[in-house]
Amino acid sequence: GQNIDQPTEMTATEGAIVQINCTYQTSGFNGLFWYQQHAGEAPTFLSYNVLDGLEEKGRFSSFLSRSKGYSYLLLKELQMKDSASYLCAVVDSNYQLIWGAGTKLIIKP
Amino acid sequence: DGGITQSPKYLFRKEGQNVTLSCEQNLNHDAMYWYRQDPGQGLRLIYYSQIVNDFQKGDIAEGYSVSREKKESFPLTVTSAQKNPTAFYLCATEAGTDRYNEQFFGPGTRLTVL
Repeated sequence: GQNIDQPTEMTATEGAIVQINCTYQTSGFNGLFWYQQHAGEAPTFLSYNVLDGLEEKGRFSSFLSRSKGYSYLLLKELQMKDSASYLCAVVDSNYQLIWGAGTKLIIKP
Repeated sequence: DGGITQSPKYLFRKEGQNVTLSCEQNLNHDAMYWYRQDPGQGLRLIYYSQIVNDFQKGDIAEGYSVSREKKESFPLTVTSAQKNPTAFYLCATEAGTDRYNEQFFGPGTRLTVL
């Protein structure tokens, strides 16, 4: 079966750095997305990786290792508004999105 | 002002009643999707449509129905056959069909069946 694993919840301090991991086992791979979702709201796009390596976009970076079936989202200079759930999703061989359950990130002052 | 609208944001229904959730987009995107989200779970695909007058079942289509009579609209009907309909429903669109693109989400409808 297809599976995406993320930690259920993480806590970090304002101003710090946090890394949210995502491991996947899917039938084929055509890219990996990270989305941010505030409580009760729609997910919003953060990043897309299809090649190995690090993609940096402001305070957020996303890394992919296809051989290890592994990605992480790195958030720097954490702000209170970063408190949200972070969803990892993989595009499989049928070009369907397989979603992880999400990681709830709690930022403390 | 381009975007995806879902209405209403909160919806209450009695058990045994069918209910239709609307999704309208003016992004001119070809593909549209319906997801269900339950606490502690990832998004689960209910139905999707890549072109007008065509749609496919997702992983959890039982108890749901859709139509795609025009490009802008993709309504979802939650029927009385859906055993546990209380959930947060998200509609999404995707621009292209030749390669994978990011999905854009509407604000969602929270359905509560009493």
